[in-house]
Amino acid sequence: AQSVTQPDIHITVSEGASLELRCNYSYGATPYLFWYVQSPGQGLQLLLKYFSGDTLVQGIKGFEAEFKRSQSSFNLRKPSVHWSDAAEYFCAVGGGETGNQFYFGTGTSLTVIP
Amino acid sequence: NAGVTQTPKFRVLKTGQSMTLLCAQDMNHEYMYWYRQDPGMGLRLIHYSVGEGTTAKGEVPDGYNVSRLKKQNFLLGLESAAPSQTSVYFCASSFTGIEQYFGPGTRLTVT
Repeated sequence: AQSVTQPDIHITVSEGASLELRCNYSYGATPYLFWYVQSPGQGLQLLLKYFSGDTLVQGIKGFEAEFKRSQSSFNLRKPSVHWSDAAEYFCAVGGGETGNQFYFGTGTSLTVIP
Repeated sequence: NAGVTQTPKFRVLKTGQSMTLLCAQDMNHEYMYWYRQDPGMGLRLIHYSVGEGTTAKGEVPDGYNVSRLKKQNFLLGLESAAPSQTSVYFCASSFTGIEQYFGPGTRLTVT
């Protein structure tokens, strides 16, 4: 069965520091991978996605993620965090060979301190 | 272009009552989805639809029913609400079945 693990429930970083959020997935083939961001009281917004090809993908708001097949990981990174990045971040796998179902991780809550 | 909208935004039900949540999209998307979000559990797929007149079960379908009579609308029904259905419900739609666009959510409390 497909699954997504986000090992960090909560992360705190200082504004201007770099950020890496971890995501590991369990799947029999190369899945479609996604990162979403959720601000308080809001729906989810797509940050970036990976389907195939270049394993480093760029997204909106200065985020990037790297797909590492050998580690079954799809970690999200940002070189310099802004206070407005404080939110909940979700990694997801779905589409493609999973059929029409999507599986989300439990989320990582990001706090940014000035 | 409103994107994905959900009605209502908030609702309180008593155990055993029924209700329907409405999701509407104006992007002509074929795929639509209903998720529930619970603390510490991320989003879990309840039901989804790959086109008008079709529905399918997701990961946690028990206690819910859905209908897709019109392409732009996807309804989620609770026939007999239970406290375990207290959650935030999100609807999403997709043109390709890959990238999803989410609505703002409905917060449901069952007492």
